[in-house]
Amino acid sequence: SQTIHQWPATLVQPVGSPLSLECTVEGTSNPNLYWYRQAAGRGLQLLFYSVGIGQISSEVPQNLSASRPQDRQFILSSKKLLLSDSGFYLCAWSHQTDTQYFGPGTRLTVL
Amino acid sequence: GQQLNQSPQSMFIQEGEDVSMNCTSSSIFNTWLWYKQDPGEGPVLLIALYKAGELTSNGRLTAQFGITRKDSFLNISASIPSDVGIYFCAGRNAGGTSYGKLTFGQGTILTVHP
Repeated sequence: SQTIHQWPATLVQPVGSPLSLECTVEGTSNPNLYWYRQAAGRGLQLLFYSVGIGQISSEVPQNLSASRPQDRQFILSSKKLLLSDSGFYLCAWSHQTDTQYFGPGTRLTVL
Repeated sequence: GQQLNQSPQSMFIQEGEDVSMNCTSSSIFNTWLWYKQDPGEGPVLLIALYKAGELTSNGRLTAQFGITRKDSFLNISASIPSDVGIYFCAGRNAGGTSYGKLTFGQGTILTVHP
């Protein structure tokens, strides 16, 4: 069966520091991968999606970037965090147009 | 762009009561999904609907894909305390894309009083 992992589970970072969140999927190959941000426990905002290694599409302009160095690895990064980057970050996977399955999330607090 | 209106935004009910929530879209969807999110966790898929008019059950949960393809509802019967959480609808219009982008509703926060 497929599983999706995210780490760290929680992170507290100062403004201006870099960020790296990792997502990995097991038990499947060539998944579509997604990064979402959820603010205040409501509404999921799609940040990035990837249909293959090295292929990244951005949905909204922002202070973040994404990379997919391996088939089942998706990384969310920032060079300098802003206060507004705080939130709950969710990674998800799917097979092409199939249902999306979410990871456990990372709670990021920028102080 | 596509918009999903989910209602109600929140519900406070007594244990044992039935719950109903719905989503309406400004455009046609080919797929409707319902997720539940517990505090501090990722959303978990409850029910997936792929055909207009489809009515699907999962235990005490029942969801329907509206005939117009612009709406869906989720019912929970005989609620229990563990039903507490945020419920999200999501729709997908395949629309030629290769990745199946989902549009999410804003969520319904459900509180169940014992």
